[in-house]
Amino acid sequence: SQTIHQWPATLVQPVGSPLSLECTVEGTSNPNLYWYRQAAGRGLQLLFYSVGIGQISSEVPQNLSASRPQDRQFILSSKKLLLSDSGFYLCAWSVKTGIGQPQHFGDGTRLSIL
Amino acid sequence: QQQVKQSPQSLIVQKGGISIINCAYENTAFDYFPWYQQFPGKGPALLIAIRPDVSEKKEGRFTISFNKSAKQFSLHIMDSQPGDSATYFCAASSNNQGGKLIFGQGTELSVKP
Repeated sequence: SQTIHQWPATLVQPVGSPLSLECTVEGTSNPNLYWYRQAAGRGLQLLFYSVGIGQISSEVPQNLSASRPQDRQFILSSKKLLLSDSGFYLCAWSVKTGIGQPQHFGDGTRLSIL
Repeated sequence: QQQVKQSPQSLIVQKGGISIINCAYENTAFDYFPWYQQFPGKGPALLIAIRPDVSEKKEGRFTISFNKSAKQFSLHIMDSQPGDSATYFCAASSNNQGGKLIFGQGTELSVKP
């Protein structure tokens, strides 16, 4: 069966510090991968998605970047965190083929910027 | 046109009652409509999904009703239980637009014992 792992579960970082959040998927190959941010427990905002290694699409301009160095690894990064980067970050995966493929989410990283 | 509008924002239902959450969309290219359930501190989990070629789908106590002409769909939770208390999200996607999900803003459901 497929599983998705995100770490760390919680993170407290000072303003201006760098960020690296990691997501890995097991039990599937060549998935689509997604990063979302959820503010105040509501409203998932798609940040990045990737259809393959090195292929990243950004949905909104922001202080963050994403990379996919391996097929089942997706990394969210920032060089200098802003207070507005606080939130709940979720990684998700889906299979590529066919209409209506569901996305499967990890348990997220709660990021607090001080 | 890419928005999915969800209502109500919050809902309180007595145990055993019916919970109803509604969503509306504009993009007629959407061809997949899932509902997700999210508990505090967890990621959303797929609950049930429907495609526009059917008007209703039922899985246990959960039913999606779909009205293609009105561009609306809704989630009905029958015999609501306290364990159903969670935030529910509707979403929509289009296969010819990369399958990216557009989420509603969520409904916080509280089922009182």
